[in-house]
Amino acid sequence: GNSVTQMEGPVTLSEEAFLTINCTYTATGYPSLFWYVQYPGEGLQLLLKATKADDKGSNKGFEATYRKETTSFHLEKGSVQVSDSAVYFCALSHSGNTPLVFGKGTRLSVIA
Amino acid sequence: DTGVSQDPRHKITKRGQNVTFRCDPISEHNRLYWYRQTLGQGPEFLTYFQNEAQLEKSRLLSDRFSAERPKGSFSTLEIQRTEQGDSAMYLCASSLYHGREATEAFFGQGTRLTVV
Repeated sequence: GNSVTQMEGPVTLSEEAFLTINCTYTATGYPSLFWYVQYPGEGLQLLLKATKADDKGSNKGFEATYRKETTSFHLEKGSVQVSDSAVYFCALSHSGNTPLVFGKGTRLSVIA
Repeated sequence: DTGVSQDPRHKITKRGQNVTFRCDPISEHNRLYWYRQTLGQGPEFLTYFQNEAQLEKSRLLSDRFSAERPKGSFSTLEIQRTEQGDSAMYLCASSLYHGREATEAFFGQGTRLTVV
């Protein structure tokens, strides 16, 4: 079946540090890949997505590249801010046509 | 449009009672999803609708759970004879399916259920 594995948190970084959150997936065919973010007290929001191999999704300084050969979609940001503190979820779907399958989430805390 | 709305935001109930949650999706969205999220876990799919048709139900959805979307707009999720293991955040999401693809899913803030 389809599944997503992401690095366990919590991750604590100082402001302006480099962020990587690892995500790997198992799926039939070629899924679309997503990163969702949940800020404190808010609902899940789409952060970025990629729909085919070698695509790079980017938003708000975050990036992730769809790597078919390693079945990965790692989230990166060059310089995190305190406002990036949130829980990040990696997810997959088939063309957005099937329900999302989520990883367990990674909590990020950025300290000033 | 204010996005996906869920009501109530919090519900505390005694074991054995029935509870019902409501979700109002984004108005033009024809797909509506229910997920359950427990502490430290990602959301787990429960069921989804396209218009009023329920297209898929997860094995997580026991026979105590039932969901409806009678007019293809809002949806309700009912849990009968609640158990402590039902305590979780219940999330609703909606998207627009057209052709062979759907737009991104937009999530509500969830209903937190506590069964005591």
